[in-house]
Amino acid sequence: EIVLTQSPGTLSLSPGERATLSCRASQSISGDYLAWYKQKPGQAPMLIIYGAFYRATGIPDRFSGSGSGTDFTLTISRLEPEDSAIFYCQQYGSAPATFGGGTKVEI
Amino acid sequence: EVHLVESGGGLVQPGGSLRLSCAASGFTFNNYAMGWVRQAPGKGLQWVSVISSKSGSKSYADSVKARFTISRDNSNNTLFLQINSLRAEDTAVYYCVKAQIFGVDPTAYFENWGQGTPVTVS
Repeated sequence: EIVLTQSPGTLSLSPGERATLSCRASQSISGDYLAWYKQKPGQAPMLIIYGAFYRATGIPDRFSGSGSGTDFTLTISRLEPEDSAIFYCQQYGSAPATFGGGTKVEI
Repeated sequence: EVHLVESGGGLVQPGGSLRLSCAASGFTFNNYAMGWVRQAPGKGLQWVSVISSKSGSKSYADSVKARFTISRDNSNNTLFLQINSLRAEDTAVYYCVKAQIFGVDPTAYFENWGQGTPVTVS
C-alpha cells in the first residue's frame, strides 16, 4: 500500500501568514488522486481539496493544492484563526486508500 | 444540505458484534457511493470500507476483511456496517461518508462526513 508522509508535524503561524503543508508518497499516485481534509478538535473531517488541486464546494480560495507524482502541497495563503486544525492528505489512486499522519496547524 | 447521522456504536466485549447505521438525507442517496472511515482515539484516519451506489461493488481494508460487511438500503437511504469478531484495535469513532469511488477495486475520496459513532471494544 502507498504510505503518505506529512510534514511538518506541527506548524505554528500567525494570522495572515502563509502555511505550506507537504505530503509525500512512497510511490507515484495514479491520476494524482490526492485529497486533503481539515479536522478541527471534536469535529468530523471536512474535504478541502480533491484531485490534487480541485477545491471542494464552499472552500475559500485561500486554500490551494498542487503537486503530482509523489510530492503534493497544500497552501493556505492567508491564515485565519479558524484554520487551526489538523490537516490530512489521502491518496485514492491505488487500493487501499490511505491517509497521511496529519499536520497540526496552530494559529 | 447533505446530512449523515450514524448510530449503533457502543461498548462491546472482544469477540462481540455491532451493526452501525447511517441515515442519509439532502441528496439522492442511490446515486452515490458510500463508505466508512474510522479514527482510533488520538490517532489519524483509516479507511474501512466503500460500497457503490447500487451495491455492485464493495471493498474493505485488509484489517477488517472477513469480519466487517458493508451494505445499504436505497429504499430507506440508509448505510450499514456489520462488524463481527471485534478486537481492541477496532476501538474508534466510525464515520459514515459520502464517497466518490474510482476503479474496479474501488478506492474513494470522501465528500461529506457524519459526526461519527464511537465503538469501544473492552
